[in-house]
Amino acid sequence: DAGITQSPRHKVTETGTPVTLRCHQTENHRYMYWYRQDPGHGLRLIHYSYGVKDTDKGEVSDGYSVSRSKTEDFLLTLESATSSQTSVYFCAICELYEQYFGPGTRLTVT
Amino acid sequence: GENVEQHPSTLSVQEGDSAVIKCTYSDSASNYFPWYKQELGKGPQLIIDIRSNVGEKKDQRIAVTLNKTAKHFSLHITETQPEDSAVYFCAASDNREYGNKLVFGAGTILRVKS
Repeated sequence: DAGITQSPRHKVTETGTPVTLRCHQTENHRYMYWYRQDPGHGLRLIHYSYGVKDTDKGEVSDGYSVSRSKTEDFLLTLESATSSQTSVYFCAICELYEQYFGPGTRLTVT
Repeated sequence: GENVEQHPSTLSVQEGDSAVIKCTYSDSASNYFPWYKQELGKGPQLIIDIRSNVGEKKDQRIAVTLNKTAKHFSLHITETQPEDSAVYFCAASDNREYGNKLVFGAGTILRVKS
C-alpha cells in the first residue's frame, strides 16, 4: 500500500455525529487525496492536498472538510454525518503521474 | 468536467480465454489513463497505465490501447487465470492542475471460471 495507512479501518456512527478519518503516509509525498467508493460510481474525489495547509475541493466535497498540518497526515472530517455518507473511503498519494491507494475505511452512518 | 464510462459492468470468461474491458472519456485534454485492480476488502492497485503520447503498452499478460481520436481506451488480459478475478477500474486525468485528479469509471467485475 505504498506506505499508506488509514485509521480507523471500520467505524459505525450515528447520524449527526462528527467523524474524522486519518490518512498517514511515510514517504514524504506532496500530493494526497480522499476518495469515496460507492456501488455503481467507482471512486469519486472528495478533497485533495498539494502541500501542508494547501487543499482544494474535488467532485463530491459537500459535507466534508479536510486538514493537512503535517506532510504525513491528511485528515477527512464529516462535521455532521448523514446516512448518505455511508461509504468506503480511500486515501491516495501521487508519485509523478501514478496514484497509490491505502487499504480503506468502511464507514457506516446509522 | 471529465466523464468516464466503462463497459461491461460484469464479464465472465473461461480460464485461459482473453478479457477486454473498454472505457470512453469526454475531455480531449485528458492525457493519462491508468487501470486499477481491486480485490475484495482491499484498496485499488495500479496495474498498468498509458499516457497520451503512446497508443499501446504491454506488461506480460496485460495490455492497454488508447485511441485519442475516438477518446477510448481498453484493457486486454490474455490467458486469464482465476487470480485475475477482481473488480477493474479505468480512470482518466488531464494532470493540468495541482496533482493528478483522477476521474474513474464505474468498474467491471471480472470472473474467471476454472
